[in-house]
Amino acid sequence: GENVEQHPSTLSVQEGDSAVIKCTYSDSASNYFPWYKQELGKRPQLIIDIRSNVGEKKDQRIAVTLNKTAKHFSLHITETQPEDSAVYFCAAIGNQFYFGTGTSLTVIP
Amino acid sequence: DSGVTQTPKHLITATGQRVTLRCSPRSGDLSVYWYQQSLDQGLQFLIQYYNGEERAKGNILERFSAQQFPDLHSELNLSSLELGDSALYFCASSAWGDRGYEQYFGPGTRLTVT
Repeated sequence: GENVEQHPSTLSVQEGDSAVIKCTYSDSASNYFPWYKQELGKRPQLIIDIRSNVGEKKDQRIAVTLNKTAKHFSLHITETQPEDSAVYFCAAIGNQFYFGTGTSLTVIP
Repeated sequence: DSGVTQTPKHLITATGQRVTLRCSPRSGDLSVYWYQQSLDQGLQFLIQYYNGEERAKGNILERFSAQQFPDLHSELNLSSLELGDSALYFCASSAWGDRGYEQYFGPGTRLTVT
């Protein structure tokens, strides 16, 4: 069925290194791709998003890339900090709402 | 604080029972979304309402139902509860913000079925 695959499920990086999380989707009607950060015990919060007419978007240390032909998009976090440690969810939204299964990111000081 | 409120915060009930979760969207937001988050399933979209009408349906079981009232608050009804229904249930509302379309999540209701 339609879904979003997200990899990796867990990711540990040293403080200052980069982290990359990748998602693939299958519903060609998806045209909006948000990324959410969820800290332990808290609600998901939007950190960045991209629309299907854009290939890349950057907001300070966070960037998202989209390859609509290949149906995959990625989250890039540079110069990681301990406070970046959280679970990150990707989503593909069009007529339906599909979420990835999450990536637990740990930034080691 | 996102402006989306959910009650109750925690709910413990037994299998076979029925519960109602309540959500109030941000002021002015017409859309309400319900999500289920369990440990092994991640975040699952259940259903969306827009201005009182069902707009989109996801992986919502037949035992579950929802509605949005004229004052735009929404209720998610879960019946014939099973152990596997234990999860965190989030409600969200949406609007166009500075960064474009944004969903604002409520604090969630943690349901434990024993």
